[in-house]
Amino acid sequence: AQSVTQLDSQVPVFEEAPVELRCNYSSSVSVYLFWYVQYPNQGLQLLLKYLSGSTLVKGINGFEAEFNKSQTSFHLRKPSVHISDTAEYFCAVSEPGGYNKLIFGAGTRLAVHP
Amino acid sequence: EAGVVQSPRYKIIEKKQPVAFWCNPISGHNTLYWYLQNLGQGPELLIRYENEEAVDDSQLPKDRFSAERLKGVDSTLKIQPAELGDSAVYLCASSFPQGEQFFGPGTRLTVL
Repeated sequence: AQSVTQLDSQVPVFEEAPVELRCNYSSSVSVYLFWYVQYPNQGLQLLLKYLSGSTLVKGINGFEAEFNKSQTSFHLRKPSVHISDTAEYFCAVSEPGGYNKLIFGAGTRLAVHP
Repeated sequence: EAGVVQSPRYKIIEKKQPVAFWCNPISGHNTLYWYLQNLGQGPELLIRYENEEAVDDSQLPKDRFSAERLKGVDSTLKIQPAELGDSAVYLCASSFPQGEQFFGPGTRLTVL
């Protein structure tokens, strides 16, 4: 069975500092990997996804993530955060062939301080 | 273009009462999902529809939860009777077959 572990439940950071949100997954097969963002009282929005090919994936709002198969990781990074990046971030995995069965991690709360 | 619409946004009920949530997916999306999001957790799939057929309901607690999507568009998720542990956010999402899921804002349920 697949599972996702987000290693930090909360990440505080100052505005304009870099940030990394960590995600590890377990699966016996190849996977698709996703990062979603959830702003307060809103639904989830897709930030970026890895399906195949280049292991460095660029997404919206200046975020990027790197797929590392040997470490089964898919960490999310941003070189300079803004106050507006304060939100909950979810890493998710699905089996290849579709997005239908998403397994989510517990989420990481990113708090950007001035 | 309108996104996924859910109503109500908030619902407070007493335990043992019934409750229903409604979802209108993005136009043209054949696949519809209901997720449960407990506080401090990621969403967990309850049920997935392809048109009007429930193709994955393995995680739906069928003793008290039910769902329908009669005409393959709107969907309703019902809980009867509600328990204290059902307090959570119920998310609806839709997609084209095998496509990216788009999420609604959710219904926050509080059971007293």
